[in-house]
Amino acid sequence: KNQVEQSPQSLIILEGKNCTLQCNYTVSPFSNLRWYKQDTGRGPVSLTIMTFSENTKSNGRYTATLDADTKQSSLHITASQLSDSASYICVVRVGGSQGNLIFGKGTKLSVKP
Amino acid sequence: EAGVTQSPTHLIKTRGQQATLRCSPISGHTSVYWYQQALGLGLQFLLWYDEGEERNRGNFPPRFSGRQFPNYSSELNVNALELEDSALYLCASSLGMVNQPQHFGDGTRLSIL
Repeated sequence: KNQVEQSPQSLIILEGKNCTLQCNYTVSPFSNLRWYKQDTGRGPVSLTIMTFSENTKSNGRYTATLDADTKQSSLHITASQLSDSASYICVVRVGGSQGNLIFGKGTKLSVKP
Repeated sequence: EAGVTQSPTHLIKTRGQQATLRCSPISGHTSVYWYQQALGLGLQFLLWYDEGEERNRGNFPPRFSGRQFPNYSSELNVNALELEDSALYLCASSLGMVNQPQHFGDGTRLSIL
């Protein structure tokens, strides 16, 4: 069964600190892996998309890594800001023409001053 | 450039009624996706439309249906509403290519009384 598991479920950090969110997936065939940020009451916003051949991808203070062998990804946030408080969702696209997206349940990050 | 817009923002219905949710994609995007985000759960894929055709549907009963119009806007219809249909319904659009991100609207909050 295609699944995406994220950890931790929630995380509280102090402003200015770094943090790393984890994503493990069992999706086959694999097409790409995406990280989204979802602010409370808003729709998700794309942060990165990585294909099988990409190991790392950055978007400002967000850096995503992908290990296709172990089927793991991480999202590292550097020098956190209050505005980083949100849910971060890992999404894996299934290969093939139908291209279903399998969503994790997200990690809820709270950045405190 | 306007983003994905959804209407209404909130919708309150009673059991057994029918609900219609609307979505306008980003200009130039031909693919529209519908997702259900119930409280505490990850996004669940509902429907994918591209060029006016239904390309794929998720594991939802037939009372969830929709359509895409010639201008690429879309409607989601939910018949015979049940209490468990209460959720945030998100629409996303994309250029339809494999490694393109989906751009989400801010959703319609459907509450069933």
